[in-house]
Amino acid sequence: SQQGEEDPQALSIQEGENATMNCSYKTSINNLQWYRQNSGRGLVHLILIRSNEREKHSGRLRVTLDTSKKSSSLLITASRAADTASYFCATEYNTDKLIFGTGTRLQVFP
Amino acid sequence: DVKVTQSSRYLVKRTGEKVFLECVQDMDHENMFWYRQDPGLGLRLIYFSYDVKMKEKGDIPEGYSVSREKKERFSLILESASTNQTSMYLCASNRRTGDTGELFFGEGSRLTVL
Repeated sequence: SQQGEEDPQALSIQEGENATMNCSYKTSINNLQWYRQNSGRGLVHLILIRSNEREKHSGRLRVTLDTSKKSSSLLITASRAADTASYFCATEYNTDKLIFGTGTRLQVFP
Repeated sequence: DVKVTQSSRYLVKRTGEKVFLECVQDMDHENMFWYRQDPGLGLRLIYFSYDVKMKEKGDIPEGYSVSREKKERFSLILESASTNQTSMYLCASNRRTGDTGELFFGEGSRLTVL
């Protein structure tokens, strides 16, 4: 299976703290994306990083990509209770198909 | 506002019933996808379509079929539902660019097969 894996599976932090989630994958990729899913809802795209990029920012989100280690990390700075959700990485290893990881459940306590 | 709409949020069916899950997108996207999501397994691709009347198997197509008669509509069919098909089903779409871009998801259809 090409499926990526997120680490940790679950993360609990206090508001204001930073949250870091990691994603590892198995094959060479064209790009890697991060998605967010609120409980019982669909996924929402957060950020895309291409294989020739090393770091990308979007608001309080920072994504890094290390293709030599086949890994990526998502950092959420100054977390809020509203950031409570599951976060998934998805890799494009073949045109038009995304393979999703198993997700990290983030709980941010007020 | 761009949207992917799944016809039913919650369905309860009996074993052996035929089940249709409908998905409509209003963004004129070429690509459409069906995933199922199960705890601990993440999202797994069932089928996808990159054009009208075209379909390709994903990772877990067994027990499913799809139909894409119009560009905006992609249907997932369970010919004879089984209890192991109880799951959350997610439809998604994106533009065919040669480089997979952002996927737009529907709200999901939670299917329970008794």
